Amino acid sequence: ETGVTQSPTHLIKTRGQQVTLRCSSQSGHNTVSWYQQALGQGPQFIFQYYREEENGRGNFPPRFSGLQFPNYSSELNVNALELDDSALYLCASGPWDSPLHFGNGTRLTVT
Amino acid sequence: SQQGEEDPQALSIQEGENATMNCSYKTSINNLQWYRQNSGRGLVHLILIRSNEREKHSGRLRVTLDTSKKSSSLLITASRAADTASYFCATDRGGSNYKLTFGKGTLLTVNP
Repeated sequence: ETGVTQSPTHLIKTRGQQVTLRCSSQSGHNTVSWYQQALGQGPQFIFQYYREEENGRGNFPPRFSGLQFPNYSSELNVNALELDDSALYLCASGPWDSPLHFGNGTRLTVT
Repeated sequence: SQQGEEDPQALSIQEGENATMNCSYKTSINNLQWYRQNSGRGLVHLILIRSNEREKHSGRLRVTLDTSKKSSSLLITASRAADTASYFCATDRGGSNYKLTFGKGTLLTVNP
């Protein structure tokens, strides 16, 4: 049990639609990161938020955006969904510069 | 892009045997970590080794780091069926954001 919960666990969307994924972190975890994991691959860094500000971004287009809230919750928003966006999306949180605590992920399928 | 490459991609052993997985990476690092992932679920942190350390132990886990070869190994001793999972190495470069770069993972199957 990592104390990081994600919702929903599974989601099916149609190409072109928009999606919001949610994450609730442990109290005291002032960083939250989002990762995308395609089938058979390792997780890829999307972005990190620190104290509610974006603090680093991976190689993902602007249609991937996020928010971090003061109550240790966060969101990942993806606009104009593409088929290649089908993946497991993982939220991870932790104190600064410490090993990450991962949620169980949201499995997104884009048809 | 993937920073690390785990080797082998898949490993199948019998309960009680030792399992060794290797990881190579491309750039200088601050820390290297190993994570475990049960099928389709979240990752669980196993162990962290800093760039100035050469070996670290935690229970049945032993990690080595060779920064001159840009490689690390994870040894699991006396494996159990419950150790069946995918194992990933992840590196960070320190600095202003805590970005982990993962390899593609090793799928370990421990047969009872």
